[in-house]
Amino acid sequence: EAGVAQSPRYKIIEKRQSVAFWCNPISGHATLYWYQQILGQGPKLLIQFQNNGVVDDSQLPKDRFSAERLKGVDSTLKIQPAKLEDSAVYLCASRGQQMNTEAFFGQGTRLTVV
Amino acid sequence: GNSVTQMEGPVTLSEEAFLTINCTYTATGYPSLFWYVQYPGEGLQLLLKATKADDKGSNKGFEATYRKETTSFHLEKGSVQVSDSAVYFCALTADYKLSFGAGTTVTVRA
Repeated sequence: EAGVAQSPRYKIIEKRQSVAFWCNPISGHATLYWYQQILGQGPKLLIQFQNNGVVDDSQLPKDRFSAERLKGVDSTLKIQPAKLEDSAVYLCASRGQQMNTEAFFGQGTRLTVV
Repeated sequence: GNSVTQMEGPVTLSEEAFLTINCTYTATGYPSLFWYVQYPGEGLQLLLKATKADDKGSNKGFEATYRKETTSFHLEKGSVQVSDSAVYFCALTADYKLSFGAGTTVTVRA
């Protein structure tokens, strides 16, 4: 079974530029999460999708972050414009239908804003 | 809301020492509990899980028991190895929401 795929692995941009991350979840997984992990901290949920609908985006800074999951499969997360404090690893995870199952994570995208 | 509190690190141990990482949680309903591990340069991966009270999850010599009365899910390993050096995250899921603790960095010295 293929895992969660994310790209790119690394990205360096200047502040005020825009950036996009892509995630392809495990086939058949209805739930998709985007997390932000700042160095030394635990993952912080940015947005959660159930199929192509948003379940929770309460911690997404909507003035600069946006995410979509067209057709309920892969997803993109965009930052525009980026700030220095956005430097972090952005993790995508997916999960199957059963409530007690674990989430599977991609390798993450390490973003550095300079 | 749901939250997870885990023991702050970093933790430094010698090989073959006993490891405990404390984790307590707050949740509505009946959450499932997880420990994830992040090895240097790698992504998060599931270490073990427990889905109901008194369940014990185990993997790679690690164990954790779901204690509803104390709302805890402490991680233990009797004899650690250098290869266990990693960051460990306690997590819970309820209503399909997945929440993590801050993580505990463990370093095992030879």
